[in-house]
Amino acid sequence: GAVVSQHPSWVICKSGTSVKIECRSLDFQATTMFWYRQFPKQSLMLMATSNEGSKATYEQGVEKDKFLINHASLTLSTLTVTSAHPEDSSFYICSARPRLLRGTDTQYFGPGTRLTVL
Amino acid sequence: LAKTTQPISMDSYEGQEVNITCSHNNIATNDYITWYQQFPSQGPRFIIQGYKTKVTNEVASLFIPADRKSSTLSLPRVSLSDTAVYYCLVDSEYGNKLVFGAGTILRVKS
Repeated sequence: GAVVSQHPSWVICKSGTSVKIECRSLDFQATTMFWYRQFPKQSLMLMATSNEGSKATYEQGVEKDKFLINHASLTLSTLTVTSAHPEDSSFYICSARPRLLRGTDTQYFGPGTRLTVL
Repeated sequence: LAKTTQPISMDSYEGQEVNITCSHNNIATNDYITWYQQFPSQGPRFIIQGYKTKVTNEVASLFIPADRKSSTLSLPRVSLSDTAVYYCLVDSEYGNKLVFGAGTILRVKS
């Protein structure tokens, strides 16, 4: 159980285009989903927290107009990188925290999406 | 969110037991300790979570002393495939986001 998928697993795009990445919790409902970015040989950096049916909360320094997050259901969140540029090339990882009746469960991570902007 | 500190890297040989210690001096009463493993170009994988004393599952053990200011992840008889980055995180019972530190790079040699 507790499987999180991401699509696509990798994407190459031209500078100036927009790219959408999907994150799905396959066998549980997620109260909250998170988006991280990871550059080579660095740790994961939290970009934003996404709650179903409400606006995402962005971490300091993350441009909300550039990284659009939509959390339309309890099993799906999307991250759209708008007008991508080469410096946006990175490994994007989502995670989801299962919805429990009481307390909380740990986060489960997707396999990641490698974005390369030419 | 309690900050965690762990060694930058560790080396081991196949078949040995590896212990990675993490300090979290500011851990709160409702916080849990969670460890993740990450291979290159993959998302982190949950290893184990604990609150106090000892927790064991099929892949690892987690030792947490009474003051809970530190924890030790124990990997029995490591193999080459255990070479990865290991992250120690503090997660609140009512918590939300996780903040990743630098992690520990474990290199297992033959």
